[in-house]
Amino acid sequence: DAGVIQSPRHEVTEMGQEVTLRCKPISGHDYLFWYRQTMMRGLELLIYFNNNVPIDDSGMPEDRFSAKMPNASFSTLKIQPSEPRDSAVYFCASSFLQFGEQFFGPGTRLTVL
Amino acid sequence: AQSVAQPEDQVNVAEGNPLTVKCTYSVSGNPYLFWYVQYPNRGLQFLLKYITGDNLVKGSYGFEAEFNKSQTSFHLKKPSALVSDSALYFCAVRDGAGGSYIPTFGRGTSLIVHP
Repeated sequence: DAGVIQSPRHEVTEMGQEVTLRCKPISGHDYLFWYRQTMMRGLELLIYFNNNVPIDDSGMPEDRFSAKMPNASFSTLKIQPSEPRDSAVYFCASSFLQFGEQFFGPGTRLTVL
Repeated sequence: AQSVAQPEDQVNVAEGNPLTVKCTYSVSGNPYLFWYVQYPNRGLQFLLKYITGDNLVKGSYGFEAEFNKSQTSFHLKKPSALVSDSALYFCAVRDGAGGSYIPTFGRGTSLIVHP
């Protein structure tokens, strides 16, 4: 298996633009997580899905953030409109069963100018 | 509620010396404990986990961790550090008593191994 795949790896955009981050989890995993990592705040859980259903989105910072998982092999995290304070590394991770270890993707480094 | 603490932001050790990265936790029930490593510009990688059984857990790259219930700790150890072990290490805990199925991550400890 290729592991968790994220795209793009780097994204530079201007304030106010829409940003879409993509994730392909490991086949067979039933949990999918979106995290954000910054120096100031560390690793933050934004939202997670179980069997494609969003379970907890309490970590999503604002209504500008939205996430979808239309099927078991694809998820998106969208920021509209983007702001400079959204600059961070965004990770997608997946796991099998609720106590399984998480497998992280390589991350998307987002820079909002 | 579940929480985890990594009391050291940074740990420095000389190559060849033993290393310890500390982690303490708080849960209502039995803990599920995890260690992850993050190399620069990479995602987190799973190292090892404790769910039940032997208190000493062995993982990848020669790392091991000891579960201590009385001290609510799960310290990561390695007998002989390598320069290539330099990275950011995260401890995570999940409460086995139910509730949230999602682990809580610590803030991370930067391990620097000097040649």
